[in-house]
Amino acid sequence: DIQMTQSPSTLSASVGDRVTITCRASQSIGRWLAWYQQKPGKAPKLLIYQASTLESGVPSRFSGSASGTEFTLTIISLQPDDSATYYCQRYNAFPLTFGGGTKVEVK
Amino acid sequence: EAQLVESGGGLVQPGGSLRLSCAASGFIFSNYWMTWVRQAPGKGLEWVANINQDGGGKNYVDSVEGRFTISRDNAKNSLYLQMNSLRAEDTAVYYCARDLPSHRAFDYWGQGTLVTVSS
Repeated sequence: DIQMTQSPSTLSASVGDRVTITCRASQSIGRWLAWYQQKPGKAPKLLIYQASTLESGVPSRFSGSASGTEFTLTIISLQPDDSATYYCQRYNAFPLTFGGGTKVEVK
Repeated sequence: EAQLVESGGGLVQPGGSLRLSCAASGFIFSNYWMTWVRQAPGKGLEWVANINQDGGGKNYVDSVEGRFTISRDNAKNSLYLQMNSLRAEDTAVYYCARDLPSHRAFDYWGQGTLVTVSS
């Protein structure tokens, strides 16, 4: 199976900071990648799909990009409400897999 | 707006069975692939299974293949997960989710139902 390595596992940043989370695939997955935000006790929320397409209703401070097998979620101007765990998910082939998650703390 | 509501979770002994349900509303259920995703306590997300619009196409993660069965009833706008031969490692919150058209990403999720496998 194709593995997704997500980094960092945790990060702490201040309000207004630019934050970057990376997901690396063990082999090519095209642009078949999504990003989710999950807050404690809640279901995940889709942020981005097809590597860089922003889901409807998601603030424009979230963006996604891809370079080969490396995918990046960027949050420009971090807000207190962005405190959450973020997951990448590849969907080029079955079984679908998620990255291990990145917990973002807003200082 | 689309809404998904899971039910059927609970405490079950190892080797036992449980059937989860997911009631869909606010969208044309029969037009969408549907998915089950689970999350063990304090752990990350794991895709479990999905099913196509008419129920003829199904996929499973290896760890549940042969033990779990995904199904749907489009007349009842409902998705199911029959779980047999349950193990302690199946303990998790189980979410049903709707697939984004033409993508195997998930745009609507239920609130989840907790399954605990323990003696």
